[in-house]
Amino acid sequence: SQQGEEDPQALSIQEGENATMNCSYKTSINNLQWYRQNSGRGLVHLILIRSNEREKHSGRLRVTLDTSKKSSSLLITASRAADTASYFCVPTGSNSGYALNFGKGTSLLVTP
Amino acid sequence: DTEVTQTPKHLVMGMTNKKSLKCEQHMGHRAMYWYKQKAKKPPELMFVYSYEKLSINESVPSRFSPECPNSSLLNLHLHALQPEDSALYLCASSQDGGGRDTEAFFGQGTRLTVV
Repeated sequence: SQQGEEDPQALSIQEGENATMNCSYKTSINNLQWYRQNSGRGLVHLILIRSNEREKHSGRLRVTLDTSKKSSSLLITASRAADTASYFCVPTGSNSGYALNFGKGTSLLVTP
Repeated sequence: DTEVTQTPKHLVMGMTNKKSLKCEQHMGHRAMYWYKQKAKKPPELMFVYSYEKLSINESVPSRFSPECPNSSLLNLHLHALQPEDSALYLCASSQDGGGRDTEAFFGQGTRLTVV
């Protein structure tokens, strides 16, 4: 099974700015998921993008996937203080079984 | 109902105690997971159950013993833990395809302290 590698490890922006975080992975995937965990400890699923999709939107979130480069990006537009959290990408493939493995994540701080 | 409920929320136990963590979901999901998360670290996968059968054990010490009595319940039995086992324990569930194809729903976790 594999896990994603998020970059940067930490990101600090002001409210209203956009936040972009990147993810790289090593082997072929069926899909790639993004999760968020805030200090209140809950892990929440944000978006799933399948290997045959290139871009997906959900509210203020935009996810891209480039399978040729084995990379994905998450863009949060017009950030809010409530977006402060850790963000994880989780690639899953046929060799992952049922495993969902988390990398170190990107820690996003949005200041008022 | 899209909730995964974990009990208790907090647990303090001695190294000679036996305790259990419980996880429940009523979404009809057939894959359930246990994760361990230390402070400022990502969640680490411990166990995965698929259709009530253990499908993944990530080389977890035998002092942690999972159990899936039915499709809605997942337990983690704890015995003779060490202080370094203190962590947040997260439970999750997902549909038939497991985490490969569908999102996982996470509980709020049990904060475990071993003294």
